[in-house]
Amino acid sequence: EDKVVQSPLSLVVHEGDTVTLNCSYEVTNFRSLLWYKQEKKAPTFLFMLTSSGIEKKSGRLSSILDKKELFSILNITATQTGDSAIYLCAVGGLQTGANNLFFGTGTRLTVIP
Amino acid sequence: NAGVTQTPKFQVLKTGQSMTLQCAQDMNHNSMYWYRQDPGMGLRLIYYSASEGTTDKGEVPNGYNVSRLNKREFSLRLESAAPSQTSVYFCAIKPGPGPINIQYFGAGTRLSVL
Repeated sequence: EDKVVQSPLSLVVHEGDTVTLNCSYEVTNFRSLLWYKQEKKAPTFLFMLTSSGIEKKSGRLSSILDKKELFSILNITATQTGDSAIYLCAVGGLQTGANNLFFGTGTRLTVIP
Repeated sequence: NAGVTQTPKFQVLKTGQSMTLQCAQDMNHNSMYWYRQDPGMGLRLIYYSASEGTTDKGEVPNGYNVSRLNKREFSLRLESAAPSQTSVYFCAIKPGPGPINIQYFGAGTRLSVL
């Protein structure tokens, strides 16, 4: 059965801290792993990773994929209150002929001033 | 929201009532999706449509029907709403071809069934 597990479920940090969010997966015919940020409304796309060991970076956020160990991490350095959100990990696989995403339950990050 | 418009934004139904959630895209993308999001459950796929006129079941299709009559619109219908269908519903589109899995989401519809 396809599965995406995120940890921790929730995290509270102070501004300026660095956080690491984890995502492990078991998905049939893996194609890609995606990270989304969800504040009050729609999830917004952050990164897509398809190859092991290649870091994707955007400002203070970075992510890396390990296809051998079936996991990814999302790092946020120098956290700000605006980073408070639910971070969703999704894995894309080829199921029944469609390129669908399978989501984890998310990590709720709270950054306090 | 990446050109994805969902209506309505909020809805309250009584058990047994029916309603249709609308989703429209302003581009010409083939793939469209309906998800529901419940606390502690993440996003779960209800139905998807790989192209105009085709639809397929996702992980949690029971109690729902969909319609993709044209390329722009993908609607989700609850024929007889139940309290278990209280959730936030998201429509998404996938612009990329083939294995490019990136999906972009609408703002969501918050549905309460009493």
